[in-house]
Amino acid sequence: TQLLEQSPQFLSIQEGENLTVYCNSSSVFSSLQWYRQEPGEGPVLLVTVVTGGEVKKLKRLTFQFGDARKDSSLHITAAQPGDTGLYLCAGARSQNFGNEKLTFGTGTRLTIIP
Amino acid sequence: NAGVTQTPKFQVLKTGQSMTLQCAQDMNHEYMSWYRQDPGMGLRLIHYSVGAGITDQGEVPNGYNVSRSTTEDFPLRLLSAAPSQTSVYFCASSFEAGERYGYTFGSGTRLTVV
Repeated sequence: TQLLEQSPQFLSIQEGENLTVYCNSSSVFSSLQWYRQEPGEGPVLLVTVVTGGEVKKLKRLTFQFGDARKDSSLHITAAQPGDTGLYLCAGARSQNFGNEKLTFGTGTRLTIIP
Repeated sequence: NAGVTQTPKFQVLKTGQSMTLQCAQDMNHEYMSWYRQDPGMGLRLIHYSVGAGITDQGEVPNGYNVSRSTTEDFPLRLLSAAPSQTSVYFCASSFEAGERYGYTFGSGTRLTVV
């Protein structure tokens, strides 16, 4: 059972357009992270959100954690070719310190066309 | 800063062979983990460690062994490789369990079992 569903799976848009990708679950997470992965490399952390309703901005990227801490979204404004990559969300469900496990979604593969 | 270093980058094994994937980090992180990444499956946790001398199983531990004799190193051993273990393997580390600080990933090992 995939706990984290990401949509869309694939997205191809023109440079300069805006886009939103989603990360949804029926489970509650204590925190949620977004990563970007480029071909041949490991994922790189973009942001961690921990409070329901939290919004974080990273230049043209806006991340939001749902009020119920079950979902999250990533909005990119004026997309650029450098935004191309695989975007992964990952949810943490802490039980006690040191025993947290991170569950990853299957990702959204984003292509920005110059 | 090297971060998380994985070796080798690529490896081809015959069914039944054994090998060790190496992972080292120089950030004094207590938490380390191994993931495998397969198309359509996302990143799945194999084993993790919350500190030297302490390891535990993740979601897909069968066929893999780990040990953590030092804070820096967390090798993953395949005792008898099977074609189902063909995948890209990532090692990750974090200051704590990763809930608030996120994970630093290595660049991966692409393993093919024939």
